[in-house]
Amino acid sequence: NFMLTQPHSVSESPGKTVTIPCTGSSGSIASNFVQWYQQRPGSAPTTVIYEDNQRPSGVPDRFSGSIDSSSNSASLTISGLKTEDEADYYCQSYDGSNWVFGGGTKLTVL
Amino acid sequence: EVQLVQSGAEVKKPGESLKISCKGSGYSFISYWIGWVRQMPGKGLEWMGIIYVGDSDTRYSPSFEGQVTLSADRSISTAYLQWSSLKASDTAMYYCVRQGGVWGQGTTVTVSS
Repeated sequence: NFMLTQPHSVSESPGKTVTIPCTGSSGSIASNFVQWYQQRPGSAPTTVIYEDNQRPSGVPDRFSGSIDSSSNSASLTISGLKTEDEADYYCQSYDGSNWVFGGGTKLTVL
Repeated sequence: EVQLVQSGAEVKKPGESLKISCKGSGYSFISYWIGWVRQMPGKGLEWMGIIYVGDSDTRYSPSFEGQVTLSADRSISTAYLQWSSLKASDTAMYYCVRQGGVWGQGTTVTVSS
């Protein structure tokens, strides 16, 4: 079964840049779109990146997504970190018609 | 504005049935897949299944196949997630999410005797 692996947690200081990786277990992660979801404590998830690198309207351009085929990974990069970015972040892709979520990464901005 | 609005919190006893809803607005409801996602307390997101509202084509995660039923009523732009016999382990938050990443606000389901 296809799986997506994320680090459990990352931390960085305000104003800095952080990158959260999401590694596919098999096949080519570039074969299917990857989405990234932000979930603040006590709130529903929201989409920050869809189709690998597209931002929904209202998501600041500090958020960007990319694919690295050589490492079979997707990445979410957040630049100019703000305290409000502190949240859980989940990557999501597909295995055939099945959706697959990564385990989530807790971002601490301190 | 595109949005999904879910039904309110539920408290049920083991063995009871339940159907929760997700109403779409602001877009052509029949033209998109609607997925359902479980989040158990303190845990990550788990994909349960998806339904294409246009023709009710439904796909289930192997983990949830036979445990839940997805359906939709095109006439009222509403998708449903239902259980025929709840267990305590079904206690969780449930989200609907539209293809393209529009999320509902979530429905809390608590199953306790």
